Amino acid sequence: DAGVIQSPRHEVTEMGQEVTLRCKPISGHNSLFWYRQTMMRGLELLIYFNNNVPIDDSGMPEDRFSAKMPNASFSTLKIQPSEPRDSAVYFCASSLSRIGETQYFGPGTRLLVL
Amino acid sequence: AQSVTQPDIHITVSEGASLELRCNYSYGATPYLFWYVQSPGQGLQLLLKYFSGDTLVQGIKGFEAEFKRSQSSFNLRKPSVHWSDAAEYFCAVGPGYALNFGKGTSLLVTP
Repeated sequence: DAGVIQSPRHEVTEMGQEVTLRCKPISGHNSLFWYRQTMMRGLELLIYFNNNVPIDDSGMPEDRFSAKMPNASFSTLKIQPSEPRDSAVYFCASSLSRIGETQYFGPGTRLLVL
Repeated sequence: AQSVTQPDIHITVSEGASLELRCNYSYGATPYLFWYVQSPGQGLQLLLKYFSGDTLVQGIKGFEAEFKRSQSSFNLRKPSVHWSDAAEYFCAVGPGYALNFGKGTSLLVTP
C-alpha cells in the first residue's frame, strides 16, 4: 500500500491567497483526520471524518478554514484567505473506524504564508 | 477532559545508553495509549500501543512501554539507543477515534 498521500509537500503563498491541501487516505480506511503542527501549539486535531462525514470540527481555528471529503479516497483542507499565522505543517491521517485503531500519517504539507 | 503531558522537551542520550521517555495522562476511564515517532521532515509512525491486558507492551525498533495505572503513566523505554533513534517522540491518549497528543520529546543521540 502506498500509505497516506498528501500534496503538495511544500507550499509557499502570500497572505490573502487561497490554499488547498489534499489528502488521499489508505484504501479501506474510513476515518480521516487533519492535524496541524506548530512549535508553539504542538500537534492539534483540526477535524475528523468518519465515512466521509465530518464528525468533529471543533479544532478548526476559524471560518477561514474548511474541509471536505467528497468520497472515500479524497479530502481537502482549504484556507481562504491565508494569513502568516497559518504557517505550519499540516498532516492528514487515516484509520479504520474502530476505537483504538492505529492512525497512519501522511508525510505532511509544509505551509509558509508570507 | 483527557490530556497528555510529556515533561521532558529535550533529552540527550549517548549511543548505547538506555532511554526512558516519560508520559503522563489524565483520563477518567481506561485509556488507549500510543507512542509515535517523527523523524525530521516525516510524518508520525506508530511505535506501540496499549489497550488492555499485559501492561508491558513491545513495539517496533526495540522499544517497549509500561502502563502504570496508579501513576497515570505510560513511559517509553529502550535498553540501548542507536544514532538512528534521534527523532521527536509523541505520546497520545484516545478514548475513541480522535487522539490527544502530547507536545513531544526531542531525542538527541550523541556518539
